[in-house]
Amino acid sequence: DTAVSQTPKYLVTQMGNDKSIKCEQNLGHDTMYWYKQDSKKFLKIMFSYNNKELIINETVPNRFSPKSPDKAHLNLHINSLELGDSAVYFCASSQVGAGSSPLHFGNGTRLTVT
Amino acid sequence: KQEVTQIPAALSVPEGENLVLNCSFTDSAIYNLQWFRQDPGKGLTSLLLIQSSQREQTSGRLNASLDKSSGRSTLYIAASQPGDSATYLCAVKRNNNDMRFGAGTRLTVKP
Repeated sequence: DTAVSQTPKYLVTQMGNDKSIKCEQNLGHDTMYWYKQDSKKFLKIMFSYNNKELIINETVPNRFSPKSPDKAHLNLHINSLELGDSAVYFCASSQVGAGSSPLHFGNGTRLTVT
Repeated sequence: KQEVTQIPAALSVPEGENLVLNCSFTDSAIYNLQWFRQDPGKGLTSLLLIQSSQREQTSGRLNASLDKSSGRSTLYIAASQPGDSATYLCAVKRNNNDMRFGAGTRLTVKP
C-alpha cells in the first residue's frame, strides 16, 4: 500500500541513451512533482504537474520531459543522457487547492550515467 | 527569489538531549512550511506541516514553530534517541506549486 512508488530504484546507463523513470501515487492527489537531489544532497524541483498546468523549472534542460498518462502517474523521460544527470530523482505528490496537504515522496531513483 | 537556509549543517548530540534545528527563508510570503526527515538511501518523510496562519505544530516529541515576519522556523526535538539520527530538511511553499528546500541538517544522536 505504498503511497508514492517509483521505478526503478537504481538505473545505470551510458551517455547518450534515453531512459524513463515511472511514478505512481495512490493517494488521490491532484498534483505530482519531480525533484532532483544532487551529490550535495540539495533538493531542487524540476516539474510540478496537475491536470491543468505544467510548471517547469527554467533551469531544467529540455532533454527532460514529464509525461502523465493519467492523474495518478507522472513519468520522467530523459533524452541523450549526460554525466551530469547522475543524481537521485524523487517523485512526490500533494493535494493543492482548498487546504494543502503534506508533500509525499517516493523512495527515489538513483541514476548513474557512465 | 525564495532562499531557504538551515543551520547547523550537521549536529551531534548524546542521547536524551533536547535540540533545536533552525530554518530561515528570505521571502515571508509563504503558503506553508514543512519539515521532513530523510534517512540514508531513502525518500523524505513528512514530519510536520505548518500553515502560514499557524505559529506551531506538535507531533509527539517534535515541535515546529513558525515566525513568518522574521522568516524563521525551528524544529525542537525533545529527549533525542539514536533512532532520530537522520537528515532533517525544511521546505517552504510559496504558492500552490513551488516548494523550496533547505540543504538539511544532518543529525547524529549517540547512544
